[in-house]
Amino acid sequence: DAKTTQPNSMESNEEEPVHLPCNHSTISGTDYIHWYRQLPSQGPEYVIHGLTSNVNNRMASLAIAEDRKSSTLILHRATLRDAAVYYCIPDHAGGTSYGKLTFGQGTILTVHP
Amino acid sequence: DAGVIQSPRHEVTEMGQEVTLRCKPISGHNSLFWYRQTMMRGLELLIYFNNNVPIDDSGMPEDRFSAKMPNASFSTLKIQPSEPRDSAVYFCASTPDAPLRLYGYTFGSGTRLTVV
Repeated sequence: DAKTTQPNSMESNEEEPVHLPCNHSTISGTDYIHWYRQLPSQGPEYVIHGLTSNVNNRMASLAIAEDRKSSTLILHRATLRDAAVYYCIPDHAGGTSYGKLTFGQGTILTVHP
Repeated sequence: DAGVIQSPRHEVTEMGQEVTLRCKPISGHNSLFWYRQTMMRGLELLIYFNNNVPIDDSGMPEDRFSAKMPNASFSTLKIQPSEPRDSAVYFCASTPDAPLRLYGYTFGSGTRLTVV
């Protein structure tokens, strides 16, 4: 399984962009990179996922390095509601229908008013 | 869409008692996952089902834990007998029966279990 490395914590100010890094140097060529977040006292929430190209959705952008050994989740304008633990997860699904997600420790994001 | 529904939200029980946690996945979702979260171990996958069939239960900690999915709209996780070290937040998640790359998981709000 690919090992991921994320900072234990990061801080940001409200309405500023946030770049959350993740290293996954042992990722295989078919593993997608998923990002989830967990707000306090809630279950994890899907944020975004991608394979090689950069991806955008209404919540965030995902920038994937050309060698795929790292990726960055970008929150364009942080709000207080973005304070959460962010998890970067290579999926190891291999194209099967029975994908499992293995969560690491994640990055605790604190957003200051 | 009511999302993934878990009950109860909180459960306090005495050591040795049987505990049953319940989950209703989103209608049309064919895969269901049970996770456990503690401060020490983070989020751990316990078991997952596809089309009501257990696919991988390698994360179930021991024989005291059992999980069932009698139909597509209901699953239970049972602990018998319960022990203080089982205290944790238990999450249920579901996803449509499709490659993981198309759909993410939808998690429930969790059941906070305290065994005293």
